[in-house]
This record gives sequence, structure tokens and C-alpha cells, in this order.
Amino acid sequence: NAGVMQNPRHLVRRRGQEARLRCSPMKGHSHVYWYRQLPEEGLKFMVYLQKENIIDESGMPKERFSAEFPKEGPSILRIQQVVRGDSAAYFCASSLSLAGTSSYEQYFGPGTRLTVT
Amino acid sequence: LAKTTQPISMDSYEGQEVNITCSHNNIATNDYITWYQQFPSQGPRFIIQGYKTKVTNEVASLFIPADRKSSTLSLPRVSLSDTAVYYCLVGANTGFQKLVFGTGTRLLVSP
Repeated sequence: NAGVMQNPRHLVRRRGQEARLRCSPMKGHSHVYWYRQLPEEGLKFMVYLQKENIIDESGMPKERFSAEFPKEGPSILRIQQVVRGDSAAYFCASSLSLAGTSSYEQYFGPGTRLTVT
Repeated sequence: LAKTTQPISMDSYEGQEVNITCSHNNIATNDYITWYQQFPSQGPRFIIQGYKTKVTNEVASLFIPADRKSSTLSLPRVSLSDTAVYYCLVGANTGFQKLVFGTGTRLLVSP
């Protein structure tokens, strides 16, 4: 059973370009979460999605950032017009959708390291 | 969400037992305690979760006193590969919970 897949693992973008980060959850998981980790800091929650729905985006910056989890295909985190401050590791996690279980047991991918030059 | 406090770093040697304590004075009645481990350049990995007393799995043990205001993650006989950052999280065990990671405890295991 493959784990959470993220690609690319490393992404370099110039200021002003767009960054697209992809996440395929574990098989059978329909809940996806995105987190951002700045150097030497803990992870910060960004957004929680289920298939075709954004459930909680309270951690997403108001501008330039968007996320989707279509019916088919991976979840996408999109950053438009990147700036140097967007340089970070972006982690995707997934969890089961069984009612009554906790989302505290999340399975994380290896992350995408975004560098903005 | 209950705030947690952990030591910033700890050092140990191979073969020793390591105990990392987390304080969560404002833990709520329906909150559980969860620990994650993060190796350099990897995503966090769920280690263990508990509500009270003691929980043990193949990786670690979690000790929670009766007042639940703190918890201790115990790693038996650590090896070099246990060098990682360990995060303590507290929150309800049902429904959606956004994970709130602090800065964690950076454990360094030396030969």
C-alpha cells in the first residue's frame, strides 16, 4: 500500500511565476490536508479538503494561494506569483474518512521543497 | 486547542531510554494526546496516541498521569536512527482537527 505521494520533491521558481504542488493521498483516504513548514519551525496548517470540497481553509493566505481536490486525480496546491517568502517545505497529509475517527492520525507525504529565487 | 510545552532539545546515547515530557495544563476532557516524529527532510510520522494511564506500541510508550496535565513519551533503547524532532499535540479525538505543531523536541542520539 503506497503512502502519500507528493511531486515534485523539489521545485525552483523565479519570483512572479506559478507553483503547482501535487498530492496523491493513501489508497482509501478521502481527506487531504496541506501544511507549510518554514526553516527551523513547526508545521502550520493551511487547508483541509475532501473530494471536490474545501472544508477548512483558515490557514491559507488570503491571496495567491488556492487548493483543490478534484473527483479524479491528485490534490493540487497552487501558488500564483510566488515571492521569496513562499520558500518552504509543503507537506500533504491524508486520513481515513470513517465516521467517529479522529483526523489526528494523519499520514504525511515526503513534502515538496519550494525555492523561490 | 490546548497549548503544549516541550523541551527544545535533548541529547542521548545509543542504548539509553529517552523520556520526553510535554506539559498541557489546559487539556480538555475530550482531548487526546498524540505524538509525531519527524526526520530531517521528511514529513511527520504518527507514533502514538493516548487518553490516560499508559499506552504502548512497537515504537514507544506513552505515560499519562491521572490529572492529564502532562504526558511522557518514552523511547526504549534509542539508536542513531531515532534522531529526529518529536512533536506533542493535544486535541479532541473525533471529527476534523487541524493539527497544531509547536517547535517540538529535537532529539540527538550519539554513538
